[in-house]
Amino acid sequence: KQEVTQIPAALSVPEGENLVLNCSFTDSAIYNLQWFRQDPGKGLTSLLLIQSSQREQTSGRLNASLDKSSGRSTLYIAASQPGDSATYLCAVTNSGGSNYKLTFGKGTLLTVNP
Amino acid sequence: KAGVTQTPRYLIKTRGQQVTLSCSPISGHRSVSWYQQTPGQGLQFLFEYFSETQRNKGNFPGRFSGRQFSNSRSEMNVSTLELGDSALYLCASSLWDRGRGAFFGQGTRLTVV
Repeated sequence: KQEVTQIPAALSVPEGENLVLNCSFTDSAIYNLQWFRQDPGKGLTSLLLIQSSQREQTSGRLNASLDKSSGRSTLYIAASQPGDSATYLCAVTNSGGSNYKLTFGKGTLLTVNP
Repeated sequence: KAGVTQTPRYLIKTRGQQVTLSCSPISGHRSVSWYQQTPGQGLQFLFEYFSETQRNKGNFPGRFSGRQFSNSRSEMNVSTLELGDSALYLCASSLWDRGRGAFFGQGTRLTVV
């Protein structure tokens, strides 16, 4: 059974700092990994999608890496801003069949202080 | 291009009642999945539909059911509501190619009193 863990559970940083969020998964047979952002009481916004054959993806100030063999992914946020404050979730889709099920971590609550 | 639309956004129901939630996926997306989010359990997979067929089901009691229509719109139903069913219910849509990722709606906040 796939399990996804995110560390830390919460993180508070001053504005402008670079930071790293961690995600680990127990079954390396994944199809892809997706990072999401969730604002309080809202839905999930897709940030980055990494296929199992890729090592990293970048979008603006965000960079996500994937090490499938070790079951780890990191989300790097450069020059953090107060608007980055949100919960960040990682989710994996397992390979095999036509499985569209996402398995989520519990998330990292990020607070960026002005 | 319109995103995933979930209705209603908020619901308050009484224990024992039933409820139906609706999800309209992104145009062209044929897979619709449902997730329950609670503070204690996080996001948990309920079920996934593709071309009107349920392909995957999570570990939830039979009170939770769903269906998908020919236009890919989906509904989920919860019967005999319990207090523990209070949660944010999220719908995600995907293309036929799961490599394109999942896109979520804003969710329906269900409160059972």
